Amino acid sequence: AQSVTQLDSQVPVFEEAPVELRCNYSSSVSVYLFWYVQYPNQGLQLLLKYLSGSTLVKGINGFEAEFNKSQTSFHLRKPSVHISDTAEYFCALGPYSGGGADGLTFGKGTHLIIQP
Amino acid sequence: ETGVTQSPTHLIKTRGQQVTLRCSSQSGHNTVSWYQQALGQGPQFIFQYYREEENGRGNFPPRFSGLQFPNYSSELNVNALELDDSALYLCASSLDRDWPQHFGDGTRLSIL
Repeated sequence: AQSVTQLDSQVPVFEEAPVELRCNYSSSVSVYLFWYVQYPNQGLQLLLKYLSGSTLVKGINGFEAEFNKSQTSFHLRKPSVHISDTAEYFCALGPYSGGGADGLTFGKGTHLIIQP
Repeated sequence: ETGVTQSPTHLIKTRGQQVTLRCSSQSGHNTVSWYQQALGQGPQFIFQYYREEENGRGNFPPRFSGLQFPNYSSELNVNALELDDSALYLCASSLDRDWPQHFGDGTRLSIL
């Protein structure tokens, strides 16, 4: 069985401050890891992905994430947030094998609130 | 490059009715997955279609069914609608069942 835990349901941050959104996962098989962002009344947009290689992954809009296998974590970071970053952020995993037949497993999401 | 498009945007149905949601995959993608996102929750995997065959299924009852067409577009059908089926239904496409999956904007289904 696989699971994703996003430790904070809501994170308030002041504009231009750094932010970290936490994600821990559990899986009995090797997995790929993803962060998606969802703006109000929209679908999911891929922020970044970890498939293999360097454990520090850079994505769009200045976000980055670090894969830590020993701690089974994949935390998302941004050094300086902007009002436009206000959105729901989802961490997700997909099994290494099986061709996506099990789909993505998502966390419950973290609502990032940027305060002026 | 055309992204994933879904129709309709919003839909209102009553309990017991049937509904069909549609999805056009991103240009060049032959794999379509469907997800249900209840309010305040993360998406949950319903099933995946690859080359017109169901390739995998999540923990959803048989009244959730689907189709994929030769042009790789897809339909999600839900029979005997229940109040708990109210959700945002998301379609995602990819190439050859590979990662990552790219999502559309979803269909918001409300059951009265």
